[in-house]
Amino acid sequence: DAGVTQSPTHLIKTRGQQVTLRCSPKSGHDTVSWYQQALGQGPQFIFQYYEEEERQRGNFPDRFSGHQFPNYSSELNVNALLLGDSALYLCASSTGTGRAFFGQGTRLTVV
Amino acid sequence: QKEVEQNSGPLSVPEGAIASLNCTYSDRVSQSFFWYRQYSGKSPELIMSIYSNGDKEDGRFTAQLNKASQYVSLLIRDSQPSDSATYLCAVTVTYTGGFKTIFGAGTRLFVKA
Repeated sequence: DAGVTQSPTHLIKTRGQQVTLRCSPKSGHDTVSWYQQALGQGPQFIFQYYEEEERQRGNFPDRFSGHQFPNYSSELNVNALLLGDSALYLCASSTGTGRAFFGQGTRLTVV
Repeated sequence: QKEVEQNSGPLSVPEGAIASLNCTYSDRVSQSFFWYRQYSGKSPELIMSIYSNGDKEDGRFTAQLNKASQYVSLLIRDSQPSDSATYLCAVTVTYTGGFKTIFGAGTRLFVKA
């Protein structure tokens, strides 16, 4: 049984560019949450998707958007990248109890 | 006040000792509580979940929950150098139509051989 998979694992982008990160949830999981983790900090909740809709959102600007597909996989899009967007982006899947399993993360570096 | 607070540490304990990690949360309607372990450069790994007041034991780990005091703790018995990591406390609040899991900043634990 594959766990949560994310792609790519590492990414370097230039300020102002746009980026798309991808996540495939653990088999049987229907809820996908995205987190941003800066160095030395805990994961910060970006948003959560369920049944292809954004259900909860953290304190992140509209530059951060997402999508969930019928197979429960999800994308995180960030527009107009800033240096401060450099972080580890984590995808977590769950079935509704909050017991979440994380993917290996995507390390985004904005230069 | 942060929604989930942890002492950032580092907490240093000798091998074989008990490590005690603490967490407080601000939202009284919080319903589910988790401890994750995160090694440097890796993603968080779920090690314990607890949903009701009291203690829950799993091997060398014991989670303790006191909802009246809005307090969660994790005890690691017989600490090993391989336990050296950052431990993240996470709290889930369920709303109509969804839930949100909030993480603390984590406590760094060093176990000295």
